Amino acid sequence: GAVVSQHPSWVICKSGTSVKIECRSLDFQATTMFWYRQFPKQSLMLMATSNEGSKATYEQGVEKDKFLINHASLTLSTLTVTSAHPEDSSFYICSASLGGLAFFGQGTRLTVV
Amino acid sequence: SQQGEEDPQALSIQEGENATMNCSYKTSINNLQWYRQNSGRGLVHLILIRSNEREKHSGRLRVTLDTSKKSSSLLITASRAADTASYFCATEPRISAGGTSYGKLTFGQGTILTVHP
Repeated sequence: GAVVSQHPSWVICKSGTSVKIECRSLDFQATTMFWYRQFPKQSLMLMATSNEGSKATYEQGVEKDKFLINHASLTLSTLTVTSAHPEDSSFYICSASLGGLAFFGQGTRLTVV
Repeated sequence: SQQGEEDPQALSIQEGENATMNCSYKTSINNLQWYRQNSGRGLVHLILIRSNEREKHSGRLRVTLDTSKKSSSLLITASRAADTASYFCATEPRISAGGTSYGKLTFGQGTILTVHP
């Protein structure tokens, strides 16, 4: 099956710093990837659609200047949380599609202190 | 936006019993998928049922889909302690003019299943 790798699996950062999360499709090319966020004991919420070679599409209420998405190649999308604050602490997870199925990365637990 | 609702929110059963979780959604869909998530970890894809299917089986899993009621159910038979996890339904929307949005999923609120040994 298709493999999506996400890195890092967890990160702790100081308030005000920026954090970059990588999402890679290891054995297939993905023109579109998706970024989700999950707060504790809640469901996954779609943040944005990452499009290779073009701007990401953000869901309503998601600040595009705070959550920078770059999809520079067919196998890599990055999410940068800029000027992170404690309220950004969450579980971030990406997915990529192949053959109509979504394959998810392992997720990244971000803790901002 | 989050559209799916699942019930129950939490389910506690004994090993060997069956567990049934329900999911409702609001828009037209191409397919509905069920995922499992162990505490604080990634998602595991369980089963996908297409909009033209009514029932699907995979091992101890049985999924039904009623598009007229916009609802689905997941049945886990002969549950095991290792089935303890959160279970989410997720829908892939049908875009007008017969298009698709592969991989863009809307998740339900989830059901926390606890299976006691």
